[in-house]
Amino acid sequence: DAKTTQPNSMESNEEEPVHLPCNHSTISGTDYIHWYRQLPSQGPEYVIHGLTSNVNNRMASLAIAEDRKSSTLILHRATLRDAAVYYCILRDATSGTYKYIFGTGTRLKVLA
Amino acid sequence: ETGVTQTPRHLVMGMTNKKSLKCEQHLGHNAMYWYKQSAKKPLELMFVYSLEERVENNSVPSRFSPECPNSSHLFLHLHTLQPEDSALYLCASSQEWTGYNEQFFGPGTRLTVL
Repeated sequence: DAKTTQPNSMESNEEEPVHLPCNHSTISGTDYIHWYRQLPSQGPEYVIHGLTSNVNNRMASLAIAEDRKSSTLILHRATLRDAAVYYCILRDATSGTYKYIFGTGTRLKVLA
Repeated sequence: ETGVTQTPRHLVMGMTNKKSLKCEQHLGHNAMYWYKQSAKKPLELMFVYSLEERVENNSVPSRFSPECPNSSHLFLHLHTLQPEDSALYLCASSQEWTGYNEQFFGPGTRLTVL
């Protein structure tokens, strides 16, 4: 199974950009890169996903390295409500199934 | 109600009890999932149902028994659990099981086994 590696925790000041890195050196050619986040006392929620090109949506941007072995989730202006655990996930499609393989994620702390 | 709901939100049970967790999705999705989230461990996929048929069972002990009576409801029946089964149990749904489909998660049931 392709796996991801993320820092255990990061801190950011409110209103500043945050770059959350993810390494996935064993990614296969057809694996999409997904990001979910889990706010305190809630289930995970979708943030963004991409394959090769950088992606933007109302929540965040996703920058994918040219060799696809790493990616970065960018929160353009962190707010206190962005404090959560952020998961970088690869979809496991090697066996024809489509399971998410969650890692331990990065706990983001936003300082007021 | 919208999205994915789970009941109860908290459950305490003894090792000899039998209880059930309920999940309901109001999104018209065809696939539903059970995940287990233990302290300091990644989310673990337990079961996947697609159109009420189980398509994935990740070597889960038989003391966990899922049931999907229709595409909107998913249950997890629990019996003779162990203290190490204490965890947050999350339900999710997606439009389809195959291909890329965003998963929508419920808030989870916090289970404590005494």
